[in-house]
Amino acid sequence: GNSVTQMEGPVTLSEEAFLTINCTYTATGYPSLFWYVQYPGEGLQLLLKATKADDKGSNKGFEATYRKETTSFHLEKGSVQVSDSAVYFCALPSGSARQLTFGSGTQLTVLP
Amino acid sequence: DGGITQSPKYLFRKEGQNVTLSCEQNLNHDAMYWYRQDPGQGLRLIYYSQIVNDFQKGDIAEGYSVSREKKESFPLTVTSAQKNPTAFYLCASRAGTSRNNEQFFGPGTRLTVL
Repeated sequence: GNSVTQMEGPVTLSEEAFLTINCTYTATGYPSLFWYVQYPGEGLQLLLKATKADDKGSNKGFEATYRKETTSFHLEKGSVQVSDSAVYFCALPSGSARQLTFGSGTQLTVLP
Repeated sequence: DGGITQSPKYLFRKEGQNVTLSCEQNLNHDAMYWYRQDPGQGLRLIYYSQIVNDFQKGDIAEGYSVSREKKESFPLTVTSAQKNPTAFYLCASRAGTSRNNEQFFGPGTRLTVL
């Protein structure tokens, strides 16, 4: 089945630093790819998505490009803020019901 | 506003007790899902339903049960057979069958066994 491997955390950065969170996947075909964010004590929110190879998803300054050649979907942001502190999950659909398979999550802490 | 609601936000269970977690959506989505989240881990699928009156076991269904009597509602019961139920439970829904459709999540219920 489809699977995703996500960079281990936690990650601690200073405000305005550059962020990269690595995500690689194994999949049959070319499924959509997602990044979700979870703030403390809350559910998951969709951060961005890409539906086909070479697509770039973007939202709130975050970007990720669907790389078929390297089976990757790395999350990047040029200048993080304290408010970006959260857990980030890479995910892709699998199975007949398109249930999501998640990476283990990366805890990001941004210090002022 | 459309969305997914879960209740209660916090739930405490005594040993040997069954508890039911509520999940309601007004997004008119066909598919609904229950996930379990343990500290420092990703989400694991418990049950899912693609249509009213039908549901399927996920990866960790033992000790749980669900029903799907209405399109809007997908309650999860944590039974006494679930040996380690303390976790954060998330409900999600998805529109249609398009491979591009994302899942929308509720705010979660934190269950603690006393």
